[in-house]
Amino acid sequence: DTEVTQTPKHLVMGMTNKKSLKCEQHMGHRAMYWYKQKAKKPPELMFVYSYEKLSINESVPSRFSPECPNSSLLNLHLHALQPEDSALYLCASSQSSEWGAGNTIYFGEGSWLTVV
Amino acid sequence: SQQGEEDPQALSIQEGENATMNCSYKTSINNLQWYRQNSGRGLVHLILIRSNEREKHSGRLRVTLDTSKKSSSLLITASRAADTASYFCATDLGFQKLVFGTGTRLLVSP
Repeated sequence: DTEVTQTPKHLVMGMTNKKSLKCEQHMGHRAMYWYKQKAKKPPELMFVYSYEKLSINESVPSRFSPECPNSSLLNLHLHALQPEDSALYLCASSQSSEWGAGNTIYFGEGSWLTVV
Repeated sequence: SQQGEEDPQALSIQEGENATMNCSYKTSINNLQWYRQNSGRGLVHLILIRSNEREKHSGRLRVTLDTSKKSSSLLITASRAADTASYFCATDLGFQKLVFGTGTRLLVSP
């Protein structure tokens, strides 16, 4: 069983809605990640937070807004999404994201997002 | 694209047989990780092999890494129906920025 918990498991939203995806881990990890996965494709990195600060943004559109309120929580705020944003959104965490750390990265079960 | 390639794209075997998946990547890496994903579920970490290691074992899993050829392989021995899933290799370029391969869909029939 994963120790990274994501809510909700499923979300349907309209293109004018504002919603949020939530992620929580209690492993004491200091790095947290958002990945996006389209059907039958590999996951693609969106954001990395290290020690609660945004360290990597993979040129993600501003309609996706990440937030890390504390070391255990990671949110992804969604606004004015497009149907092509429908995907599985995966949260992950690791002990750190420093160069050469080589830590195992643990993933949550994901949140299925459908934009209508 | 930095994305790695995996082959085969799909593999169908009988229970008890061995399954081998191959991964090729393009850049220097810090480590390489293998993940399993059941349909519509999250990713489960299987094994991590560092760039200075050549082989690693974990239960029925054996992973090899050849950094000169920029390739890795995952061997699952004595496959079970429960091993049916998609398997991804993921390269860590150094800042724990994982780049996933295209994946292999494994079907193990009873």
